[in-house]
Amino acid sequence: AQTVTQSQPEMSVQEAETVTLSCTYDTSESDYYLFWYKQPPSRQMILVIRQEAYKQQNATENRFSVNFQKAAKSFSLKISDSQLGDAAMYFCAYYHGNAGNMLTFGGGTRLMVKP
Amino acid sequence: KAGVTQTPRYLIKTRGQQVTLSCSPISGHRSVSWYQQTPGQGLQFLFEYFSETQRNKGNFPGRFSGRQFSNSRSEMNVSTLELGDSALYLCASSEQGYSYEQYFGPGTRLTVT
Repeated sequence: AQTVTQSQPEMSVQEAETVTLSCTYDTSESDYYLFWYKQPPSRQMILVIRQEAYKQQNATENRFSVNFQKAAKSFSLKISDSQLGDAAMYFCAYYHGNAGNMLTFGGGTRLMVKP
Repeated sequence: KAGVTQTPRYLIKTRGQQVTLSCSPISGHRSVSWYQQTPGQGLQFLFEYFSETQRNKGNFPGRFSGRQFSNSRSEMNVSTLELGDSALYLCASSEQGYSYEQYFGPGTRLTVT
């Protein structure tokens, strides 16, 4: 079974600084997708960024970028120029498709942004 | 298009009662997945429905059940509620049968007293 692990329960960053959230996963599949979701206090899960495993190029979405290391099964999220609105729970998630539309989530990292 | 909606948003029940939660997917989406979110266990997959059929089920007791209607709306039911069932229940919808593009609803916060 696939597992996703986020080893940092909480992280803190100063506004305008850069922070990196870590995620590791375990799978025997070669083709899959990885995601970072943001869950603010409103509880709505928002997709931040997506990475296809067959793509070597790391995904980037504005201030958000990932460092995808397939061999190491590592998938970290870098947030540049952190803003107060970035404060939220961040979840790393895995999707393969061999189990319908099921996503496997990590335990989450709470990000605090200090003004 | 309207997003995924979940009703009710908040619910308080007593231990031993049963509860039904509803999820209306985005128009045209045929797949609905349910997740339970608790501080201790994180986000755990409950089950998924596609075209009115349950395709996959997580590791939850039989007290947790669901169904999907012909209009793709889905309900989940929890019978004989326990204190540990207190959680945020999220649903997500997808257009295709196998799709990484999933859209989440705002969740239903269930409190069991």
